[in-house]
Amino acid sequence: AQKITQTQPGMFVQEKEAVTLDCTYDTSDQSYGLFWYKQPSSGEMIFLIYQGSYDEQNATEGRYSLNFQKARKSANLVISASQLGDSAMYFCAMRYTGGFKTIFGAGTRLFVKA
Amino acid sequence: NAGVTQTPKFQVLKTGQSMTLQCAQDMNHEYMSWYRQDPGMGLRLIHYSVGAGITDQGEVPNGYNVSRSTTEDFPLRLLSAAPSQTSVYFCASRRTSDEQFFGPGTRLTVL
Repeated sequence: AQKITQTQPGMFVQEKEAVTLDCTYDTSDQSYGLFWYKQPSSGEMIFLIYQGSYDEQNATEGRYSLNFQKARKSANLVISASQLGDSAMYFCAMRYTGGFKTIFGAGTRLFVKA
Repeated sequence: NAGVTQTPKFQVLKTGQSMTLQCAQDMNHEYMSWYRQDPGMGLRLIHYSVGAGITDQGEVPNGYNVSRSTTEDFPLRLLSAAPSQTSVYFCASRRTSDEQFFGPGTRLTVL
């Protein structure tokens, strides 16, 4: 069965520094996708970045990058140059390629300090 | 495009009442899903649909019904509300292999 684990309930980072949010997953399938979403205090879910299991390069989207280590089954989100507006909950998620269900981790709350 | 819309934004029910949470999308997405979000548990899948007329159960389907008569609409019905169904409910839609687009959520309290 698929499972997503986010071991950091809360993280603090100083403004302008980089931060890594951890995500490990469990799957027996070889073809899958990994997603990160941001949920600010206003409550909406915002898609950040996607990594396919067969992608050779780590995904990047602006200040977001995904440190994908397939053998370790980890898909950590790296936010560079943190901003106050990055304070939010962050969710890691996974779905089998061609599958119907996306499963989510419990989330990490990030606090950015001025 | 309005994206994914949900109504109502807030709702308070008494135990035993029934109600329908509405969800609509205007992106012609095949897949639609309902999630509930509880503190410390992330999002859990309630029901999903892969197209009009086709629905299936997710992780936590008990106490909920869905139908998909059109591509655009995917309502979630609570049959007999219980306090354990107090949660924030999100509807989402996507094309086959893309990321999901979420609605703004419905905050439901069952007394």
